Amino acid sequence: QAQLVESGGGVVQPGRSLRLSCAASGFTFSSFGMHWVRQAPGKGLEWVAVIWNDGSNTYYADSVKGRFTISRDNSKYTLFLQMNSLGVEDTAVYYCVGETTVKGMDVWGQGTTVTVSS
Amino acid sequence: EIVLTQSPATLSLSPGERATLSCRASQSVGSYLAWFQQKPGQAPRLLIYDASNRATGIPARFSGSGSGTDFTLTISSLEPEDFAVYYCQHRRDWPPAFGGGAKVEI
Repeated sequence: QAQLVESGGGVVQPGRSLRLSCAASGFTFSSFGMHWVRQAPGKGLEWVAVIWNDGSNTYYADSVKGRFTISRDNSKYTLFLQMNSLGVEDTAVYYCVGETTVKGMDVWGQGTTVTVSS
Repeated sequence: EIVLTQSPATLSLSPGERATLSCRASQSVGSYLAWFQQKPGQAPRLLIYDASNRATGIPARFSGSGSGTDFTLTISSLEPEDFAVYYCQHRRDWPPAFGGGAKVEI
Protein backbone atom coordinates (compact mmCIF):
# COMPACT_ATOMS: atom_id res chain seq x y z
CA GLN A 1 0.00 0.00 0.00
CA ALA A 2 1.39 3.37 -1.02
CA GLN A 3 2.34 5.53 1.93
CA LEU A 4 3.92 8.93 2.45
CA VAL A 5 5.10 10.12 5.86
CA GLU A 6 6.18 13.72 6.37
CA SER A 7 8.49 14.97 9.10
CA GLY A 8 10.48 18.04 10.03
CA GLY A 9 7.70 20.44 10.91
CA GLY A 10 7.76 22.60 14.00
CA VAL A 11 7.80 26.12 15.37
CA VAL A 12 10.34 28.49 13.86
CA GLN A 13 10.98 32.21 14.10
CA PRO A 14 10.43 34.51 11.12
CA GLY A 15 13.45 34.65 8.85
CA ARG A 16 14.72 31.23 9.87
CA SER A 17 14.89 28.01 7.84
CA LEU A 18 13.34 24.57 8.07
CA ARG A 19 13.73 21.38 6.06
CA LEU A 20 10.81 19.00 5.56
CA SER A 21 11.22 15.37 4.59
CA CYS A 22 8.76 12.87 3.16
CA ALA A 23 9.45 9.14 3.30
CA ALA A 24 7.75 7.02 0.64
CA SER A 25 6.96 3.33 0.75
CA GLY A 26 4.75 0.78 -0.96
CA PHE A 27 5.25 2.08 -4.51
CA THR A 28 7.99 2.77 -7.02
CA PHE A 29 9.02 6.24 -5.89
CA SER A 30 11.05 6.99 -9.00
CA SER A 31 7.93 6.62 -11.15
CA PHE A 32 6.03 9.42 -9.39
CA GLY A 33 6.19 13.16 -9.76
CA MET A 34 6.12 14.63 -6.28
CA HIS A 35 4.49 17.78 -4.96
CA TRP A 36 4.27 19.79 -1.78
CA VAL A 37 0.83 21.24 -1.08
CA ARG A 38 0.09 23.37 1.97
CA GLN A 39 -2.98 24.46 3.90
CA ALA A 40 -2.97 27.47 6.19
CA PRO A 41 -5.17 27.21 9.30
CA GLY A 42 -8.83 27.31 8.29
CA LYS A 43 -7.97 27.91 4.64
CA GLY A 44 -7.98 25.98 1.39
CA LEU A 45 -5.28 24.01 -0.38
CA GLU A 46 -2.34 25.81 -1.97
CA TRP A 47 0.07 24.10 -4.34
CA VAL A 48 3.68 24.86 -3.40
CA ALA A 49 6.14 22.99 -5.62
CA VAL A 50 6.67 19.96 -7.87
CA ILE A 51 9.64 17.87 -8.91
CA TRP A 52 9.55 15.43 -11.78
CA ASN A 53 10.06 11.73 -11.17
CA ASP A 54 13.69 11.84 -12.23
CA GLY A 55 14.40 15.20 -10.60
CA SER A 56 15.04 16.86 -13.96
CA ASN A 57 12.51 19.64 -13.53
CA THR A 58 11.02 21.70 -10.73
CA TYR A 59 8.32 24.36 -10.56
CA TYR A 60 7.31 26.65 -7.71
CA ALA A 61 4.39 28.79 -6.69
CA ASP A 62 5.18 32.50 -6.95
CA SER A 63 4.64 32.81 -3.20
CA VAL A 64 7.67 30.61 -2.44
CA LYS A 65 9.89 31.05 -5.49
CA GLY A 66 13.44 31.93 -4.52
CA ARG A 67 12.89 30.87 -0.88
CA PHE A 68 11.90 27.18 -1.11
CA THR A 69 13.73 24.34 -2.85
CA ILE A 70 12.22 20.95 -3.62
CA SER A 71 14.51 17.97 -4.10
CA ARG A 72 14.43 14.19 -3.95
CA ASP A 73 16.63 11.18 -3.39
CA ASN A 74 15.17 8.29 -5.35
CA SER A 75 17.65 5.82 -3.86
CA LYS A 76 16.30 6.64 -0.40
CA TYR A 77 12.65 7.06 -1.41
CA THR A 78 12.63 10.52 0.11
CA LEU A 79 11.33 13.94 -0.89
CA PHE A 80 12.56 17.18 0.65
CA LEU A 81 11.47 20.79 0.95
CA GLN A 82 14.09 23.30 2.06
CA MET A 83 12.34 26.42 3.31
CA ASN A 84 14.37 29.58 3.84
CA SER A 85 13.43 33.12 4.90
CA LEU A 86 10.21 31.87 6.46
CA GLY A 87 7.42 34.33 7.13
CA VAL A 88 4.22 34.09 9.17
CA GLU A 89 2.36 33.57 5.89
CA ASP A 90 4.14 30.21 5.53
CA THR A 91 2.37 28.83 8.61
CA ALA A 92 0.46 25.80 7.37
CA VAL A 93 0.14 22.04 7.26
CA TYR A 94 2.46 20.82 4.52
CA TYR A 95 1.41 17.74 2.58
CA CYS A 96 3.66 15.55 0.47
CA VAL A 97 1.77 14.31 -2.60
CA GLY A 98 2.61 11.69 -5.19
CA GLU A 99 1.37 12.10 -8.75
CA THR A 100 1.06 9.67 -11.62
CA THR A 101 0.55 10.69 -15.23
CA VAL A 102 -2.72 8.73 -15.28
CA LYS A 103 -4.46 9.74 -12.06
CA GLY A 104 -2.73 12.92 -11.00
CA MET A 105 -2.33 13.63 -7.25
CA ASP A 106 -3.21 10.15 -6.08
CA VAL A 107 -1.14 9.61 -2.91
CA TRP A 108 -1.15 12.01 0.04
CA GLY A 109 0.79 12.04 3.28
CA GLN A 110 -0.83 12.93 6.59
CA GLY A 111 0.89 16.32 6.70
CA THR A 112 3.39 18.06 8.95
CA THR A 113 2.67 21.37 10.66
CA VAL A 114 4.92 24.39 10.25
CA THR A 115 4.32 27.37 12.52
CA VAL A 116 6.26 30.57 11.93
CA SER A 117 6.04 32.79 14.98
CA SER A 118 8.22 35.02 17.07
CA GLU B 1 -2.49 31.30 -14.63
CA ILE B 2 -5.76 29.35 -14.53
CA VAL B 3 -8.13 30.17 -11.66
CA LEU B 4 -10.77 27.71 -10.45
CA THR B 5 -13.97 29.02 -8.85
CA GLN B 6 -16.17 26.66 -6.87
CA SER B 7 -19.84 27.19 -6.11
CA PRO B 8 -21.68 27.20 -3.87
CA ALA B 9 -19.21 27.74 -1.03
CA THR B 10 -21.52 25.89 1.34
CA LEU B 11 -24.24 23.38 0.61
CA SER B 12 -26.65 22.44 3.39
CA LEU B 13 -28.33 19.09 2.78
CA SER B 14 -29.64 16.02 4.56
CA PRO B 15 -28.52 12.40 4.28
CA GLY B 16 -30.10 10.77 1.26
CA GLU B 17 -30.26 14.00 -0.74
CA ARG B 18 -28.37 14.72 -3.93
CA ALA B 19 -25.39 17.11 -3.88
CA THR B 20 -24.24 19.02 -6.93
CA LEU B 21 -21.00 20.98 -6.74
CA SER B 22 -19.68 23.24 -9.49
CA CYS B 23 -16.16 24.17 -10.53
CA ARG B 24 -15.50 26.77 -13.22
CA ALA B 25 -12.10 27.42 -14.78
CA SER B 26 -10.96 30.83 -16.03
CA GLN B 27 -9.80 29.14 -19.25
CA SER B 28 -10.04 25.66 -20.67
CA VAL B 29 -8.39 22.86 -18.74
CA GLY B 30 -9.58 20.19 -21.17
CA SER B 31 -10.42 17.18 -19.02
CA TYR B 32 -7.51 17.70 -16.61
CA LEU B 33 -9.75 18.31 -13.62
CA ALA B 34 -9.77 16.38 -10.34
CA TRP B 35 -11.96 16.40 -7.25
CA PHE B 36 -10.76 15.82 -3.69
CA GLN B 37 -12.60 15.25 -0.43
CA GLN B 38 -11.21 16.49 2.86
CA LYS B 39 -12.57 15.74 6.33
CA PRO B 40 -11.50 17.65 9.46
CA GLY B 41 -8.00 16.75 10.58
CA GLN B 42 -7.37 14.54 7.57
CA ALA B 43 -5.43 14.82 4.35
CA PRO B 44 -7.37 15.29 1.12
CA ARG B 45 -8.40 12.16 -0.76
CA LEU B 46 -8.63 11.85 -4.53
CA LEU B 47 -12.20 11.15 -5.63
CA ILE B 48 -12.29 11.87 -9.37
CA TYR B 49 -9.50 12.35 -11.91
CA ASP B 50 -9.64 13.58 -15.48
CA ALA B 51 -13.13 15.01 -14.91
CA SER B 52 -15.09 11.76 -14.76
CA ASN B 53 -12.93 8.84 -13.62
CA ARG B 54 -13.45 7.54 -10.10
CA ALA B 55 -10.28 6.86 -8.16
CA THR B 56 -9.61 3.48 -6.60
CA GLY B 57 -12.14 2.55 -3.92
CA ILE B 58 -14.45 5.52 -4.46
CA PRO B 59 -18.15 4.58 -4.24
CA ALA B 60 -20.33 4.80 -7.33
CA ARG B 61 -22.51 7.52 -5.75
CA PHE B 62 -19.70 9.95 -6.61
CA SER B 63 -19.61 11.05 -10.23
CA GLY B 64 -17.88 13.80 -12.16
CA SER B 65 -18.72 15.45 -15.44
CA GLY B 66 -17.72 18.32 -17.67
CA SER B 67 -14.90 19.50 -19.87
CA GLY B 68 -13.28 22.74 -20.90
CA THR B 69 -14.27 25.29 -18.28
CA ASP B 70 -17.34 23.86 -16.49
CA PHE B 71 -17.29 20.83 -14.25
CA THR B 72 -19.66 19.17 -11.80
CA LEU B 73 -19.22 16.75 -8.92
CA THR B 74 -22.42 14.91 -8.05
CA ILE B 75 -23.07 12.81 -4.97
CA SER B 76 -26.23 10.93 -5.82
CA SER B 77 -27.40 10.16 -2.29
CA LEU B 78 -25.47 11.63 0.63
CA GLU B 79 -24.18 9.26 3.28
CA PRO B 80 -23.26 10.60 6.74
CA GLU B 81 -19.54 10.21 5.93
CA ASP B 82 -19.86 12.44 2.84
CA PHE B 83 -20.26 15.64 4.82
CA ALA B 84 -16.89 17.25 4.20
CA VAL B 85 -15.09 19.88 2.14
CA TYR B 86 -14.56 19.26 -1.57
CA TYR B 87 -11.88 20.80 -3.77
CA CYS B 88 -11.42 20.81 -7.51
CA GLN B 89 -7.92 21.00 -8.99
CA HIS B 90 -6.56 21.27 -12.52
CA ARG B 91 -3.32 19.96 -13.96
CA ARG B 92 -3.63 21.56 -17.36
CA ASP B 93 -0.50 23.63 -16.90
CA TRP B 94 1.64 25.31 -14.22
CA PRO B 95 0.69 26.10 -11.53
CA PRO B 96 -1.74 23.19 -10.91
CA ALA B 97 -4.18 25.26 -8.84
CA PHE B 98 -6.99 24.28 -6.50
CA GLY B 99 -10.41 25.81 -6.21
CA GLY B 100 -11.38 27.55 -2.99
CA GLY B 101 -13.36 24.58 -1.70
CA ALA B 102 -17.01 23.79 -1.08
CA LYS B 103 -18.37 22.58 2.24
CA VAL B 104 -21.19 20.07 2.27
CA GLU B 105 -22.84 20.30 5.67
CA ILE B 106 -25.80 18.73 7.35
